[in-house]
Amino acid sequence: GAVVSQHPSRVICKSGTSVKIECRSLDFQATTMFWYRQFPKQSLMLMATSNEGSKATYEQGVEKDKFLINHASLTLSTLTVTSAHPEDSSFYICSARSPQGGTEAFFGQGTRLTVV
Amino acid sequence: AQKITQTQPGMFVQEKEAVTLDCTYDTSDPSYGLFWYKQPSSGEMIFLIYQGSYDQQNATEGRYSLNFQKARKSANLVISASQLGDSAMYFCAMRELQGGFQKLVFGTGTRLLVSP
Repeated sequence: GAVVSQHPSRVICKSGTSVKIECRSLDFQATTMFWYRQFPKQSLMLMATSNEGSKATYEQGVEKDKFLINHASLTLSTLTVTSAHPEDSSFYICSARSPQGGTEAFFGQGTRLTVV
Repeated sequence: AQKITQTQPGMFVQEKEAVTLDCTYDTSDPSYGLFWYKQPSSGEMIFLIYQGSYDQQNATEGRYSLNFQKARKSANLVISASQLGDSAMYFCAMRELQGGFQKLVFGTGTRLLVSP
């Protein structure tokens, strides 16, 4: 099946700094990718839909200036957590749907962000 | 309103036994898709099985089968011949059209523990 690669898998950063997370589709072109956030022992919550060549669509309650999304190519979407704070510590995971009529969304491995 | 409901926070099953994980959904869209994902402790989301709303037969994938009861709006996952490696979180999800995009909405998950 299609492969989505997410990097880094773990990151620890200081409060106030910015962190960039990459999501790549390795063997297919993804015009749309999705970014989720998962708090411990909770479900995945959709943050935003990333569209190649256009602005991302954010879910209600998600700060656009806080979570910057760039989908500059058909195989790469990035999520930048700006001015990170301890409450931003979470598990972030991206997904992309294969354009070949596949029914499942392929997920990256996820990134565990810890802000200290 | 909760669109995907998983009422079992945790389930226990003995190795080689079958187990059913419950999932009910709510949608007014006649066209939708239902998914089950497995999330081990590493965090990755592993696609297990898919059921389309128009599919006449229940989906099966190896030891996984989906008991789709459309009138009851339920899509329970049945795992046959449980293995120790099946211990993980299991999420039910529904794909529906929102704002021009097909998005996945996840339930709260069920933690399955398989004992020897």
